[in-house]
Amino acid sequence: DAGITQSPRHKVTETGTPVTLRCHQTENHRYMYWYRQDPGHGLRLIHYSYGVKDTDKGEVSDGYSVSRSKTEDFLLTLESATSSQTSVYFCATRDRVTDTQYFGPGTRLTVL
Amino acid sequence: DQQVKQNSPSLSVQEGRISILNCDYTNSMFDYFLWYKKYPAEGPTFLISISSIKDKNEDGRFTVFLNKSAKHLSLHIVPSQPGDSAVYFCAASLSGGGADGLTFGKGTHLIIQP
Repeated sequence: DAGITQSPRHKVTETGTPVTLRCHQTENHRYMYWYRQDPGHGLRLIHYSYGVKDTDKGEVSDGYSVSRSKTEDFLLTLESATSSQTSVYFCATRDRVTDTQYFGPGTRLTVL
Repeated sequence: DQQVKQNSPSLSVQEGRISILNCDYTNSMFDYFLWYKKYPAEGPTFLISISSIKDKNEDGRFTVFLNKSAKHLSLHIVPSQPGDSAVYFCAASLSGGGADGLTFGKGTHLIIQP
């Protein structure tokens, strides 16, 4: 796959605290994505980036912000975590040659 | 409004037989479709894809069929093996090769019985 790592892999936090998840890729892919996976919902797009400093909202962007200061890093921030943001978060990159998205291993976030 | 639907939450198939996973979509603007396989505690792994200009794509034991008029695609796995037990997600993208993200179904849990 596309050499994608996510950190942390697991996190437990309290309601109201800020949380930042990191995605790092080594393939120099221009496009990067954040999805969340919840029971009964499959994967849903939160935000995506089409280049350094270029980002856009996805289907479920409320309560989340992103930043991309380098090609290889895409950060997802929950400014004030809520229990509804308890989920598994997946980062992905897109290979423009094959139009295929490749996923990282995921971050399990629990908001108490 | 769910645009990609996988109506079977689970499917049980005997080892060696054919597994057929189904997916329906409602948005006629989707032009590229992908199947992903997911094991517990891991990220989804790309399996196979198909463009809307084709009706079949084959890769080893995996074949995807697309019926555009019915807005339906299916993934065939022949023969099914124990390692195929996983959750399978169907995903679709709009023109532009999915640059603005994929729309996923809810997944089908495939169980291969020995």
